[in-house]
Amino acid sequence: AQSVTQLGSHVSVSEGALVLLRCNYSSSVPPYLFWYVQYPNQGLQLLLKYTSAATLVKGINGFEAEFKKSETSFHLTKPSAHMSDAAEYFCAVTTGGTGRRALTFGSGTRLQVQP
Amino acid sequence: GAVVSQHPSWVICKSGTSVKIECRSLDFQATTMFWYRQFPKQSLMLMATSNEGSKATYEQGVEKDKFLINHASLTLSTLTVTSAHPEDSSFYICSTYGRSSYEQYFGPGTRLTVT
Repeated sequence: AQSVTQLGSHVSVSEGALVLLRCNYSSSVPPYLFWYVQYPNQGLQLLLKYTSAATLVKGINGFEAEFKKSETSFHLTKPSAHMSDAAEYFCAVTTGGTGRRALTFGSGTRLQVQP
Repeated sequence: GAVVSQHPSWVICKSGTSVKIECRSLDFQATTMFWYRQFPKQSLMLMATSNEGSKATYEQGVEKDKFLINHASLTLSTLTVTSAHPEDSSFYICSTYGRSSYEQYFGPGTRLTVT
């Protein structure tokens, strides 16, 4: 079984400041990790994914995340926050093997961007 | 990327009635679809896995007789909430895998309100 923990249900940053959203995972087998963004009353949009290739993953909208096995972490960062980044962010995990499995989501982090 | 649609995007129904939600993959065949439920300000929780041509697999605690899933074709899965109650009010989201491994594509979601 796998799980993810997102530290901080709410994060507030100023426009132009660094964004850091934390995600730690637990998995008995090598994980595949994802970050999704959700705007109000909308579905999920994939920001980036880690699938056992490069540990530093670059995604859309200037976001990136680094897979650190020793820390079981996959934190999401962005050097400079924009007002449009205000949304709910979810970290998710699945595993490989035969068949395609559902994702297990973290509890989410709401990002607020102050002008 | 793959495109997944859901219909309706929102629905209001009276307690005791049934509601059907459709999930379609628009540009590829989806042998497996996932149904998630998201309560306000909470994360997504997997309800069931829908497999084309076979019975759905339900997560623990999800009533299969209440949430009927039909996956009769490779492009359509439906979720029927039977005898809906106010506590069934939620955001229902479907997803499936595209052609690449381990990346899920999500529908835009259906907001169900039971009065």
